[in-house]
Amino acid sequence: GEDVEQSLFLSVREGDSSVINCTYTDSSSTYLYWYKQEPGAGLQLLTYIFSNMDMKQDQRLTVLLNKKDKHLSLRIADTQTGDSAIYFCAERRGGATNKLIFGTGTLLAVQP
Amino acid sequence: GAVVSQHPSRVICKSGTSVKIECRSLDFQATTMFWYRQFPKQSLMLMATSNEGSKATYEQGVEKDKFLINHASLTLSTLTVTSAHPEDSSFYICSAREGGATHNEQFFGPGTRLTVL
Repeated sequence: GEDVEQSLFLSVREGDSSVINCTYTDSSSTYLYWYKQEPGAGLQLLTYIFSNMDMKQDQRLTVLLNKKDKHLSLRIADTQTGDSAIYFCAERRGGATNKLIFGTGTLLAVQP
Repeated sequence: GAVVSQHPSRVICKSGTSVKIECRSLDFQATTMFWYRQFPKQSLMLMATSNEGSKATYEQGVEKDKFLINHASLTLSTLTVTSAHPEDSSFYICSAREGGATHNEQFFGPGTRLTVL
C-alpha cells in the first residue's frame, strides 16, 4: 500500500533498549529518516540512513535497514525517560520535489 | 544548526475568517519549503511544496484556493487558511530545505496550532 507503517505504541523500562520498527513503501527511496516529536512541538531529526547502507550507529541510536523487505528499525540503547515521545520514520521519495512521506508514528513510553 | 520558526504558535479564530501562518528560515536560505498538517495522534500529511518565486505544488486532495501559499523570499513562506471552518482545526508544521545540502535535510518549525470555533 501507500502507507508507511509503524506500530502504534511501545512501552519500555528505563535503562532497557527500545526498538521501533517501520515498513516503508518505495524501494527507490534514497534516504530514510527517524524523527522525534515531543508533545505540542515540531519534529527533531534524530538520524538518517542512505539507502545503500545496512546500518548506521550514532551514540545511543542504531538504525538498521533491510532494503529487500523495505524494513527500517531504530534501536535506542539505555532508554531514558527523556526519550518518551512519538517517533516517526520517513522515506524520501525520488522525483523533482524529493518529498518526505511520514510513517504513522510510534508512541514510546519509558517507565521509570 | 539550522533554525526554522513559525508564527504564531497558537491561533484561535472564528469560523469564516482567514488566518495567516508564517514560516521563516532564520540562518539559511530555503530554496524549498514544505507545509504539513497533523491531526491529533496522527502522522504528518504533506499539503504542498513551495519553491521560492514560483507557484506551490499541492498534494492531491488539498484545495489550493483554501490553503494559499506564498514563498516570496528565500527565508519566508506563508500559509493562509481562507474562510476557516472547524474542520480546518489542526497542527500545521512547515519545514525548510537548503538547496545543495548532501541529503537535502528538511528542518522543521515548531508548528502552529489552529483552532477554529
